[in-house]
Amino acid sequence: EAQVTQNPRYLITVTGKKLTVTCSQNMNHEYMSWYRQDPGLGLRQIYYSMNVEVTDKGDVPEGYKVSRKEKRNFPLILESPSPNQTSLYFCASTGVNSPLHFGNGTRLTVT
Amino acid sequence: GIQVEQSPPDLILQEGANSTLRCNFSDSVNNLQWFHQNPWGQLINLFYIPSGTKQNGRLSATTVATERYSLLYISSSQTTDSGVYFCAATGNQFYFGTGTSLTVIP
Repeated sequence: EAQVTQNPRYLITVTGKKLTVTCSQNMNHEYMSWYRQDPGLGLRQIYYSMNVEVTDKGDVPEGYKVSRKEKRNFPLILESPSPNQTSLYFCASTGVNSPLHFGNGTRLTVT
Repeated sequence: GIQVEQSPPDLILQEGANSTLRCNFSDSVNNLQWFHQNPWGQLINLFYIPSGTKQNGRLSATTVATERYSLLYISSSQTTDSGVYFCAATGNQFYFGTGTSLTVIP
């Protein structure tokens, strides 16, 4: 089954404790991206990657890191999480002239 | 970046009614997509529609790229249509509107 898999689904952590949210897709897509969703603000792009070893900042990249060492994986890293990073996060992927597919989301709470 | 505006922000419908959701975008785009976020938070792609009209069951979408807008039509609405509908325009990245929250009441 074609899918984008994110883990974990829920995460509660404390300020400053490094964390990684994993994202994997099995559709051989070149493009992968991360978004955060906050009430009233819709989805905002954090980082995106056009292919392996190619990453670019989206609209809200501060406080986040990504890497794209393999085509299928695109982890999101928070080196020192802060409470304003509490949000619902989505990973997505797409190929050329094809729809954007989302993972099921990760609800992160930073206390 | 590209500005994307959706209207209306909220919509309440009686089951069986029809509705039209609008998405305006500020610049030329490579493509336009519509998504439904269900009450469990999942984002489902409804249409990939850079131009023209597409239909899928009770839903259809039209994008007029030259006039920078897209419309999503929902006919004979059902309670399962409830949720938030987003459009996204693509330049070098994806730009989302803030969504239309739809509630269908029985």
